[in-house]
Amino acid sequence: EIVLTQSPDTLSLSPGERATLSCRASQSVSSTYLAWYQQKRGQAPRLLIHSASSRATDIPDRFSGSGSGTDFTLTISRLEPEDFAVYYCQRYGGSPGTFGQGTRVEIK
Amino acid sequence: QMQLQESGPGLAKPSETLSLICTVSGGSMNIYYWSWVRQPPGKGLEWIGYIHDSGITNFNSSLKSRVTMSLDTSKNQFSLKLESVTPADTAVYYCARGGWYMDVWGKGTTLTVSS
Repeated sequence: EIVLTQSPDTLSLSPGERATLSCRASQSVSSTYLAWYQQKRGQAPRLLIHSASSRATDIPDRFSGSGSGTDFTLTISRLEPEDFAVYYCQRYGGSPGTFGQGTRVEIK
Repeated sequence: QMQLQESGPGLAKPSETLSLICTVSGGSMNIYYWSWVRQPPGKGLEWIGYIHDSGITNFNSSLKSRVTMSLDTSKNQFSLKLESVTPADTAVYYCARGGWYMDVWGKGTTLTVSS
């Protein structure tokens, strides 16, 4: 089973700063099969990125995804107040479709 | 715009079978895969499995022995049954569109397993 480890667990930043979130897989993952989600407190997750770097519908271009093999990154170029949330990576296309443990982006 | 709404009992006793339904509105179910994901209180997301109208299913291996999914396109619904629940199954259960990445989600329904 492929395990996804996200780092850091918590990222403390100010609005306007750049956020870089990491997702590392225990085995190589096809970049076709890596997604990122945002979850705000009390809400369902929202798809941000699929296929490692393709933005989902209506996702602002300050969100970008990159990476291949075992190392993937979600970058938020300039944090807006509404971006403070928990972010999960997901590997799909196999069983189980694994999620990382999440990175919380909090206001510094 | 497609919307999903989960419904369920809210509370179950240990050893019971949990049944959840997801009602889909605003689009056809036939061309998509449909998933269930859960989130225990204060914890991360766990993929449960997916189903397609063609009969294709895929379940998390850790839950496979207890999970059944079905789909009724005439009612625009799909369902999850989880057998022999324990307190460890206490979670918010989400239904979602997509079998790989999930691009439309319901708001979630809370299930508490307690005697």
